[in-house]
Amino acid sequence: EVQLVESGGGLVKPGGSLRLSCVGSGFTFSKAWVSWVRQASGQGLEWVGLMQSEGDGGTTDYAAPVKGRFTISRDDSKNTLFLQMNSLKIEDTGVYYCVTDILGPAASWGQGTLVTVSS
Amino acid sequence: DIQMTQSPSTLSASVGDRVTITCRASHSISAWLAWYQQKPGKAPKLLIYKASSLQSGVPSRFSGSGSGTDFTLTISSLQPDDVATYYCQQYNGYSRTFGQGTKVEIK
Repeated sequence: EVQLVESGGGLVKPGGSLRLSCVGSGFTFSKAWVSWVRQASGQGLEWVGLMQSEGDGGTTDYAAPVKGRFTISRDDSKNTLFLQMNSLKIEDTGVYYCVTDILGPAASWGQGTLVTVSS
Repeated sequence: DIQMTQSPSTLSASVGDRVTITCRASHSISAWLAWYQQKPGKAPKLLIYKASSLQSGVPSRFSGSGSGTDFTLTISSLQPDDVATYYCQQYNGYSRTFGQGTKVEIK
């Protein structure tokens, strides 16, 4: 069974930084394209960014609102995806999901981790 | 960036009704479109991929159609369990974009 478990969320002040982690199991993590998707309370889904498998080039891409502030990386030896978030803004508040395409486009989701940016 | 416009934002229908949700892309995405169902407090669930392919385990009352810029999700006979918010997502290339969502309610 494909499982994704996010961690690292919490309360941070505007301008601060936070690093989220996502550990995958039940599939060959090194071959997976993995994304981060966020959702503010009561709002819709927003794609944050994606990282290809290293075998496919390891390319990353980001949504315009986070480009230059957020960085996605991976450690395939630990089946882990990271999201480094810098210069955080109040509008970055929300639940952050780790998502993989291994069984279809965004077919597998973690349970999410809550990030709150507030002074 | 490709923008996705979904309509309507809210839909109220009776049990057994045929329900249609539309999604329009700002540029052609061929058939690289997926549909998701999200219930409150839960992660989204993939229903349809590549515009019209039904994900394994999804009831056959769900179907998708379209290509290029215009796409449709149809529920052939609305059931109480279908109350949820539905999202389209384009996955043409590395960048992805979601539609704004359609909340489906029972009348």
